[in-house]
Formats: sequence, C-alpha cells, structure tokens
Amino acid sequence: GEDVEQSLFLSVREGDSSVINCTYTDSSSTYLYWYKQEPGAGLQLLTYIFSNMDMKQDQRLTVLLNKKDKHLSLRIADTQTGDSAIYFCAESSNSGYALNFGKGTSLLVTP
Amino acid sequence: EPEVTQTPSHQVTQMGQEVILRCVPISNHLYFYWYRQILGQKVEFLVSFYNNEISEKSEIFDDQFSVERPDGSNFTLKIRSTKLEDSAMYFCASSEGQLGANVLTFGAGSRLTVL
Repeated sequence: GEDVEQSLFLSVREGDSSVINCTYTDSSSTYLYWYKQEPGAGLQLLTYIFSNMDMKQDQRLTVLLNKKDKHLSLRIADTQTGDSAIYFCAESSNSGYALNFGKGTSLLVTP
Repeated sequence: EPEVTQTPSHQVTQMGQEVILRCVPISNHLYFYWYRQILGQKVEFLVSFYNNEISEKSEIFDDQFSVERPDGSNFTLKIRSTKLEDSAMYFCASSEGQLGANVLTFGAGSRLTVL
C-alpha cells in the first residue's frame, strides 16, 4: 500500500523552533494532515493542507508542502514544554475517506 | 467541545476470547471509523461505516472483525476470537463526512492486551 514515513524522535530546547518532516508516496493525495497525540489522549487534529497549496500558517504552526517531492513538514515556532507529544502525519486521497498515517514523531521539548 | 468516547480504556483477555470495544461518536457525525496502532507501529485503518453499513475496509479487517451500530449512539468493534497479534491500541473516530478535507475526531483509544 501507499506509505507515509516520518522520523521517530525529535528533541528541541524550549523556545527553539521544531521541524517535523514527513514523506508520502501516494501521488493522488489530496489532503495532508498533522495530528497530535498527548499521553493517554486520542489523536487531535492540528492542521491540514490541500494539495494545491504549498504553505499554510496557523499561529505558531507552519505547514510546508512540496508536492513534487511528496514532502510535508510542520514547523512549530517558540516550542514549549506543552508541545511535547507524538505528531502524526496523514494523507487522504480521492479514493475514499480513510486516512493513511505515518508512525508518528515523538517530540521532546527540554527546558 | 464534543468528543468521541471509548470504553474500556484497557482490556486484558485470553487468546481465543471474544472482545467488544465500544465507542460513542459525536452525535451529528455521519461517518465512523476504527483504527488500530500496534506498539511501535503506524496507526492503521481498519474500517469505515456510513449509513449503517461498511463503506470501506482494509486487508486487516478480516472475518474475525465486525462492526455494529446497535442503537443511535454506540458504535462497536467486535473481535470474535482474539489472537496475540491483535494486541494494540484501538482508536474510534467520527467525521461529518463533508466534501473536502475529512476531519476526523478521535477517541482516547482502547488498549487491548491478548495473553
């Protein structure tokens, strides 16, 4: 099946920017999503981007999409300890409503 | 804020036993989903449900699995005869199903441990 890949771990210092990267293989992906999972909680939608866009900004979050390279990134500005969580990249295509997830990137923010 | 609730949060069962995981989706949502995450692996799609029938399912969703919406609020996942490899976190989700981005709201998950 189509694949979504992410690096597994990222550690940053409080106040720095975090960049979480994702690559995908499905060329028919129409929407790409970032979800956040805090300990003991479900997956929470952070943001999503339509495939004909290359950037979307929402407060401290910036999503960059390079459709040619099938590369998606999530930048968190001024990262806080409360941002420590697992971040999942996901994609969906016109073929259906199911989301295809990556394994998640565990972000650790240290003081 | 409306949320998806799942019960139980953790279930331990013996291999071969039947398990039912329960979910209450958001009340005005039309699409319901089950996903699972085996420890250290990706979140995998199992099944989607719309208008009282399965709309899409993955290869994982074999004859051991079934879903049901027994009343107007609950959405259940049944595993008939559990195997060791069914041990995972099972997430229920729901969405409005509007055209465009399919925004899923997830529950906190049910951890299933098969011994």
